[in-house]
Amino acid sequence: DQQVKQNSPSLSVQEGRISILNCDYTNSMFDYFLWYKKYPAEGPTFLISISSIKDKNEDGRFTVFLNKSAKHLSLHIVPSQPGDSAVYFCAAEGPNDKIIFGKGTRLHILP
Amino acid sequence: ETGVTQSPTHLIKTRGQQVTLRCSSQSGHNTVSWYQQALGQGPQFIFQYYREEENGRGNFPPRFSGLQFPNYSSELNVNALELDDSALYLCASSGTKGLSGASTQYFGPGTRLTVL
Repeated sequence: DQQVKQNSPSLSVQEGRISILNCDYTNSMFDYFLWYKKYPAEGPTFLISISSIKDKNEDGRFTVFLNKSAKHLSLHIVPSQPGDSAVYFCAAEGPNDKIIFGKGTRLHILP
Repeated sequence: ETGVTQSPTHLIKTRGQQVTLRCSSQSGHNTVSWYQQALGQGPQFIFQYYREEENGRGNFPPRFSGLQFPNYSSELNVNALELDDSALYLCASSGTKGLSGASTQYFGPGTRLTVL
């Protein structure tokens, strides 16, 4: 049973435009939601997080939106840059600090 | 601050064998978590260690075991290897929670295990 779902395996976006990556979850007990970025042959790197009591967190070009009623969050990257091409994992952290990851979305930034 | 390192990078084993994977956490990080990432999947939580004690476990059988040492290194041991154990194994270390309150985990590059 997947508690964190990323339904789009891949996404292609023109350089300079907005990239929107989506994530759905099923467990209302998650305290935090996180986004990780992964390049080939490297481990995931932390990008941005949001507390379950907030609905928006912004860090430079990256903004995460949380809609608790819909159990949905999204990561917005604007403007998209070539270096943003990577696999993005949505993750959720529960009360015991256990982190559950989605399957990932591969983002391609097109020139 | 040194990053998280893992060894070996790649490993090939045969079914039924045992394997030990190693991780060196960032200095000062008391928590280490291990994940299995199968092809096309996200990382799956195996277990977590805090100050050398197991502090949570995912849905993995007992043949997956671990150790954490005082020098910020840790091991993942897998006995009686099965073909489905072929995956990328990631370790991640974390210290105190960040400003957001979330446990920011710092991942190593992983060990690619192939079981034949």
